Amino acid sequence: GAGVSQSPRYKVAKRGQDVALRCDPISGHVSLFWYQQALGQGPEFLTYFQNEAQLDKSGLPSDRFFAERPEGSVSTLKIQRTQQEDSAVYLCASSPFTGANVLTFGAGSRLTVL
Amino acid sequence: KQEVTQIPAALSVPEGENLVLNCSFTDSAIYNLQWFRQDPGKGLTSLLLIQSSQREQTSGRLNASLDKSSGRSTLYIAASQPGDSATYLCAVCPGDSSYKLIFGSGTRLLVRP
Repeated sequence: GAGVSQSPRYKVAKRGQDVALRCDPISGHVSLFWYQQALGQGPEFLTYFQNEAQLDKSGLPSDRFFAERPEGSVSTLKIQRTQQEDSAVYLCASSPFTGANVLTFGAGSRLTVL
Repeated sequence: KQEVTQIPAALSVPEGENLVLNCSFTDSAIYNLQWFRQDPGKGLTSLLLIQSSQREQTSGRLNASLDKSSGRSTLYIAASQPGDSATYLCAVCPGDSSYKLIFGSGTRLLVRP
């Protein structure tokens, strides 16, 4: 596609449920990023992939968060046993280059945990 | 630890005004600095990227400057239009990381017709 596609756009989960958020980057883009954006705040870095390799996962808040990009294209961010503080917009971005240059962001997945 | 601050948090101006948005960062060792625009319910759109070795970048009515020594960047918007209404985010890529962006909380801009 022409842009970065994220699904679902909106997700409501009960506390304790597992959720999976999907990111379809622009075809051929080497780099893929996940960011978490709380209401009224700037995005915060979660993790970075270069092709299928997860080079940095230091921003993942806890071991309940897991991200993968097994074939170097589509990525999934999984959150286990969701908690209210996980409520946020999860943004995915991709780039044709290594590093944070020429990023294209998706519209995000808004997660609300009740 | 790198921290990014944006002032003001919100700004309302009449159409046609020239305006300046401010961004400050605590560690001058940066790889690049980027300005983004975010419309409600949407992702971020990249506006300008200034490499560490550069002083400014221009795109249309937008001009961004970078002063590493003082830890500051400004985004200048000329002849503002209602369509410029959005949240503007500044982000710094630290010098020890070429991929991790650290964002400010943004400036919410409203341009009144």
